[in-house]
Amino acid sequence: SAVISQKPSRDICQRGTSLTIQCQVDSQVTMMFWYRQQPGQSLTLIATANQGSEATYESGFVIDKFPISRPNLTFSTLTVSNMSPEDSSIYLCSVRSGGHEQYFGPGTRLTVT
Amino acid sequence: SQQGEEDPQALSIQEGENATMNCSYKTSINNLQWYRQNSGRGLVHLILIRSNEREKHSGRLRVTLDTSKKSSSLLITASRAADTASYFCATLQGAQKLVFGQGTRLTINP
Repeated sequence: SAVISQKPSRDICQRGTSLTIQCQVDSQVTMMFWYRQQPGQSLTLIATANQGSEATYESGFVIDKFPISRPNLTFSTLTVSNMSPEDSSIYLCSVRSGGHEQYFGPGTRLTVT
Repeated sequence: SQQGEEDPQALSIQEGENATMNCSYKTSINNLQWYRQNSGRGLVHLILIRSNEREKHSGRLRVTLDTSKKSSSLLITASRAADTASYFCATLQGAQKLVFGQGTRLTINP
């Protein structure tokens, strides 16, 4: 299984500001995914990030709000831009193994005041 | 969009009893995966069952898959207090997208 770390683990931010979340994997992976989990809810896919190409966003998520970088096969960042209280969620990075198991990082708990 | 429906939404049992959670989905799948989440932390991968498999075991976990009914179940035997968590099923749609159910909150009472 892959070992995934995320920074920061949690943050409290002012509305209107932006936060960049980092995701580091201990092995090279082709596909990385970013999910959001709103309070008391399940996980929703934000976007799929493949190295060397632009991220693919799910319906309801746009690049201007959630820009993603994928500079290499072990690292990705997700930025939450111009934050509002509705962006308060846990953001999780995820990767898929060759056997199709999908593993998740510990998450970044974001609170927007 | 979320397509999985989990049943029940919440389950409370006594330590030592078995816990059964169910998951239904709507579209064809390549595989179905079960996860555990403790208190809003990251997800722990429990087990993956492929669409051509009917049952799979891992320790105290038993997963079944019925593709004709588009449903799966997760059985945890001899439950422990440490099993208290939220459990999610997720289905792989097509080649890329893993879609999650709403989850079952399991509470094990000592």
